[in-house]
Amino acid sequence: GAGVSQSPSNKVTEKGKDVELRCDPISGHTALYWYRQSLGQGLEFLIYFQGNSAPDKSGLPSDRFSAERTGGSVSTLTIQRTQQEDSAVYLCASSFSRDEYEQYFGPGTRLTVT
Amino acid sequence: GQNIDQPTEMTATEGAIVQINCTYQTSGFNGLFWYQQHAGEAPTFLSYNVLDGLEEKGRFSSFLSRSKGYSYLLLKELQMKDSASYLCAGRVISSYKLIFGSGTRLLVRP
Repeated sequence: GAGVSQSPSNKVTEKGKDVELRCDPISGHTALYWYRQSLGQGLEFLIYFQGNSAPDKSGLPSDRFSAERTGGSVSTLTIQRTQQEDSAVYLCASSFSRDEYEQYFGPGTRLTVT
Repeated sequence: GQNIDQPTEMTATEGAIVQINCTYQTSGFNGLFWYQQHAGEAPTFLSYNVLDGLEEKGRFSSFLSRSKGYSYLLLKELQMKDSASYLCAGRVISSYKLIFGSGTRLLVRP
């Protein structure tokens, strides 16, 4: 079956512009996670969604970052007024439920802010 | 605190055994994950330990000691394709967040 997909795979943007990153989780997975990975670093948790519950936004680094999940499926991570330190790979993962321990990761979106 | 510590790099020889250690502050986590990540690719799940002890899956085994805040990933019969980063991650108590270490880059040499 299809895995987690993300688009775009690469995004180059100018400092100050807004960007939207998209994640399509595996069909039927109710839990969805966003992470950020800077070069040579581990993954940094950003936000997770579980069904229709309020998302856990505790990892979002600033109010320039927001995410939504429409219809319990597709999710969009938005970064407003991008800064150079936002440059990283943004990874999305999904799992069947939040109690399902295995998270399946998408290929990521590499964001470069110039 | 929620720190996860693991060595930055390790080198091993094809066919050998390597142990990658991970330490964490015991009060913060419930369960320890290991993920493998090849360069430029997404992480893939290897193991999850929530109870003490060793869990074996083929060439890979993972161990957890909750009282010591210590885990390791053991890779046997190393193959060149095992060259990758290995990420240790803890599940935050009363949450579903994972906190990742910076990863251990393993280089397998012939």
